[in-house]
Order: sequence, then C-alpha cells, then structure tokens
Amino acid sequence: AQSVSQHNHHVILSEAASLELGCNYSYGGTVNLFWYVQYPGQHLQLLLKYFSGDPLVKGIKGFEAEFIKSKFSFNLRKPSVQWSDTAEYFCAVNLDSNYQLIWGAGTKLIIKP
Amino acid sequence: DVKVTQSSRYLVKRTGEKVFLECVQDMDHENMFWYRQDPGLGLRLIYFSYDVKMKEKGDIPEGYSVSREKKERFSLILESASTNQTSMYLCASTGWGSGGEQFFGPGTRLTVL
Repeated sequence: AQSVSQHNHHVILSEAASLELGCNYSYGGTVNLFWYVQYPGQHLQLLLKYFSGDPLVKGIKGFEAEFIKSKFSFNLRKPSVQWSDTAEYFCAVNLDSNYQLIWGAGTKLIIKP
Repeated sequence: DVKVTQSSRYLVKRTGEKVFLECVQDMDHENMFWYRQDPGLGLRLIYFSYDVKMKEKGDIPEGYSVSREKKERFSLILESASTNQTSMYLCASTGWGSGGEQFFGPGTRLTVL
C-alpha cells in the first residue's frame, strides 16, 4: 500500500537555526505533493504544494520544499526559523490526481526562543 | 475566501450517546472528508463522500457513519460513543481539478466520558 513517511516525529530547534523536515512517499506514478501546517489551536492550512514544473517550490512564511523524484522525497526547508514556526507539519501526497490524500504522521516542531 | 465550518469546537459526551458532528463548506466542492487526528498517528480517514448521498469507507470506519443529503453538508455520526473515540475530528473538502488540495475546518475536539 502507498504510504508517506515523515522521519522525525519531534524536532526542537533554537531560533535562527535552519530547518529541514523529511518526507518520503512510496509510489511510482504521478504525484501531487503538499505540506500542511497546524499552529497551536488553529486549523490545518496549506504551506505549499507541488504539482509540476520547477521542483523547488516556495510557500508562505519563507518555507520551501524540493521534490526529488528519484528519491521519492519532498523535504521541507527554512533557512532561519522563528519562534512563531512552532507547529505541527504534515506531508501529504495525492496519487494520479485522485481526490484523496495520503498523510504522513506529522512532525511536531518546537522552536526555543 | 474559502470556508469550511464545523458545528462545534469542543464537545463532551457520555459513553453510549449518539453524537452528530456537522461540517459545511461554501466552495461548492464535490468531495468531503472526515478524519480523526490523534497524537503520533497523523490524520486517519474515517469516511469520505464524492457526491450527494454517496459515501465511501476510509481507513477506520468502524463505529462511525456519515450522511450527505446536500452538497455543502457532510455529517459524521457516532451511533454509540465510546471512550476510544475521544479525539480531534477534522472535516475537509476538495473540488475536482484541485489536484487533491484539501481545505480544512477548525476541528471538533470530542471527549467521551
């Protein structure tokens, strides 16, 4: 069965540190890729998405992600995190333009001020 | 601005009670979803619907049912609530051609005593 793996369940960083959250999926066909974020007490919202074209996509709040097809990966990055980035981050994959998403287990990011 | 609303943010029920969770979207989306979110488990799909009166089981449908009588409204029903159904319930919607991007409501935190 297709799956999405997020390697770190908890990440703790200091402000200004660089961030990379890993996401790998197991599917050889066409994919659309998403990162969602859930700030404390708020609803899930889209951070960025990749459908096609430039494999480096930029999202809100300075986040970016790179799609590497050969590695089945879609890692999320931010060069310098802020305390307000404390949240839970979810990677999700859409297969063959189906309307469903397959979700990773999420990564809880805590930024120490 | 797109909007998905859920009937309650917090709900406390007793074991054995029948529980209704309602979700309404104003984006004319065909597809609607109910997930539950538990720490460390990410989002797990309970049921989804791709059209009025149509429903499909997700990964964890046991103990739940759904109703979609109107396009904009998707209800989740717990026929006889149990303590292991204490969780955060998320509703989402997406339209055909959106590449799978889902829009989420604020969630309902259900506690079953």
